[in-house]
Amino acid sequence: GENVEQHPSTLSVQEGDSAVIKCTYSDSASNYFPWYKQELGKGPQLIIDIRSNVGEKKDQRIAVTLNKTAKHFSLHITETQPEDSAVYFCAPRKGGGGNKLTFGTGTQLKVEL
Amino acid sequence: GAVVSQHPSWVICKSGTSVKIECRSLDFQATTMFWYRQFPKQSLMLMATSNEGSKATYEQGVEKDKFLINHASLTLSTLTVTSAHPEDSSFYICSALSGGLETQYFGPGTRLLVL
Repeated sequence: GENVEQHPSTLSVQEGDSAVIKCTYSDSASNYFPWYKQELGKGPQLIIDIRSNVGEKKDQRIAVTLNKTAKHFSLHITETQPEDSAVYFCAPRKGGGGNKLTFGTGTQLKVEL
Repeated sequence: GAVVSQHPSWVICKSGTSVKIECRSLDFQATTMFWYRQFPKQSLMLMATSNEGSKATYEQGVEKDKFLINHASLTLSTLTVTSAHPEDSSFYICSALSGGLETQYFGPGTRLLVL
């Protein structure tokens, strides 16, 4: 099955700094690449996604970049704020239909004042 | 838009009893819903895919007779944990696929504690 890893597993930044989380996947047929934010005790919330025919997408302070050749995509958060503190998951969709997502190992982001 | 709810948000039950969790898409129809389980400090693991009007598809290692799924309408899927045991204690999360799109919208989760 699809093997999905995230790095780093924990990330601590100062408020206002940028944060980058990398997701590496194994299935070259993956064609949809979302990032989810999960706050403690809550369900995941989609924050940004990208499709395989696009290399980069930006939404205000959040951006995602995709390198299909190397099979990885990254989440970029600029001007971090305390409310960005959460666990972030990548969840590439395996090719071949079924719309199944495979969640990565997760990254705990802590934004310090 | 694209709001998914779950009920109950948390439940405590005795070992051996059955527990039903509901997942509803509030403002859209979902022909496909998914059920995940998440243990503390771990990632989400897909348990099964629920399709309206047909039998659910279970992931490898998930017992279909223990985790009963019913998707009787386009806005409701239910997961019943039968004869629950302490090892079934977990955070159960559903998601719904918005028709025509590929985005999964997640519910707030249901925390189950089996004593």
